[in-house]
Amino acid sequence: AQSVTQLGSHVSVSEGALVLLRCNYSSSVPPYLFWYVQYPNQGLQLLLKYTSAATLVKGINGFEAEFKKSETSFHLTKPSAHMSDAAEYFCAVSDPGTYKYIFGTGTRLKVLA
Amino acid sequence: KAGVTQTPRYLIKTRGQQVTLSCSPISGHRSVSWYQQTPGQGLQFLFEYFSETQRNKGNFPGRFSGRQFSNSRSEMNVSTLELGDSALYLCASSLEAGGNQETQYFGPGTRLLVL
Repeated sequence: AQSVTQLGSHVSVSEGALVLLRCNYSSSVPPYLFWYVQYPNQGLQLLLKYTSAATLVKGINGFEAEFKKSETSFHLTKPSAHMSDAAEYFCAVSDPGTYKYIFGTGTRLKVLA
Repeated sequence: KAGVTQTPRYLIKTRGQQVTLSCSPISGHRSVSWYQQTPGQGLQFLFEYFSETQRNKGNFPGRFSGRQFSNSRSEMNVSTLELGDSALYLCASSLEAGGNQETQYFGPGTRLLVL
């Protein structure tokens, strides 16, 4: 069965600093991977997704993620954090065996002024 | 194209009551999934419907049930509410079921408070 692990339930960065949110997956087949963002009292919004077309995926709001098969990772990065980036971020994998989307436990990003 | 809509947005119920939540997917989407989100447990998968059939179910008691109509709209029902059912209930839709590169689109959620 596929699974997703997000390291760090809480991450704090200073405004203007690099954002790095970690996601590792386990999959026996080429995965489809997603990053979502959730702002307070809202649903999840897609940031970006990996569909094997390119290993470096660019998303909205300046975020990008790199698929590294050798490390089974799909870490989310942003060069310069903005106060508006404060939110919870979820990594997810789409499982072709069960037709499910499997979500990580989420990482809450705090941006310090 | 309109997004996923969920009604009601907020609900207050008392223990023992039942509740029905509604979800209207994006037009043309046939798969609807439901999730429960709580601070302690995170995002937990409830069930998924595809073309009116429940394809997947999470590890929730039988008090949680759902259905999907021919127009893909979905409802979930929780009977005999417990305090622990207080949560944000999220609905998500996609063109097809999971297992591919289809994106799930989420609604704003229904926040349920059980007193």
